[in-house]
Amino acid sequence: KAGVTQTPRYLIKTRGQQVTLSCSPISGHRSVSWYQQTPGQGLQFLFEYFSETQRNKGNFPGRFSGRQFSNSRSEMNVSTLELGDSALYLCASSVEGQRGEQYFGPGTRLTVT
Amino acid sequence: GQQLNQSPQSMFIQEGEDVSMNCTSSSIFNTWLWYKQDPGEGPVLLIALYKAGELTSNGRLTAQFGITRKDSFLNISASIPSDVGIYFCVGGSQGNLIFGKGTKLSVKP
Repeated sequence: KAGVTQTPRYLIKTRGQQVTLSCSPISGHRSVSWYQQTPGQGLQFLFEYFSETQRNKGNFPGRFSGRQFSNSRSEMNVSTLELGDSALYLCASSVEGQRGEQYFGPGTRLTVT
Repeated sequence: GQQLNQSPQSMFIQEGEDVSMNCTSSSIFNTWLWYKQDPGEGPVLLIALYKAGELTSNGRLTAQFGITRKDSFLNISASIPSDVGIYFCVGGSQGNLIFGKGTKLSVKP
């Protein structure tokens, strides 16, 4: 089975721009979660989608949004980028009911200048 | 809110040594998971624990779900160079997952 894929792997953007990141989960996984990872804050939960519906949301401003498509692929969008948004953005997929057994993608490294 | 205290923050290992790390919390969890992250990659699930007192092994790795449900530990026996990386504990409760800050394992110079 192919693992979780994320595109792009690296991205450089300028303050004020917006960005869209993509995640394709493992086949058969309907739950997709997004995380932001920074050296100072560690792994922080952004949101979780299941069957095209946002099921959980972390404590991030409204500039961070996401969606899930009928094939379980997910995108996250960050508008009006700030320097502090520079981070590794990780996507994880799981089978419903597996109580946290998430499978992570390699991440998208976003640098905001 | 719920928080996990993972220790140590970092440690140096020499090949062949045993390694121990743990996570504690003031909150009760129903699930404990341990992940490892290599540089430039996403975390990989090592061990999942679902019952208080459960002791589970995965090769040279052993993890336990604390009897109070507020802690968990991970042991690595006979460490090898490829064990270096960052190890995360994760506590799960009512659909929420809380991540520890990680333990960074490096090779002793």
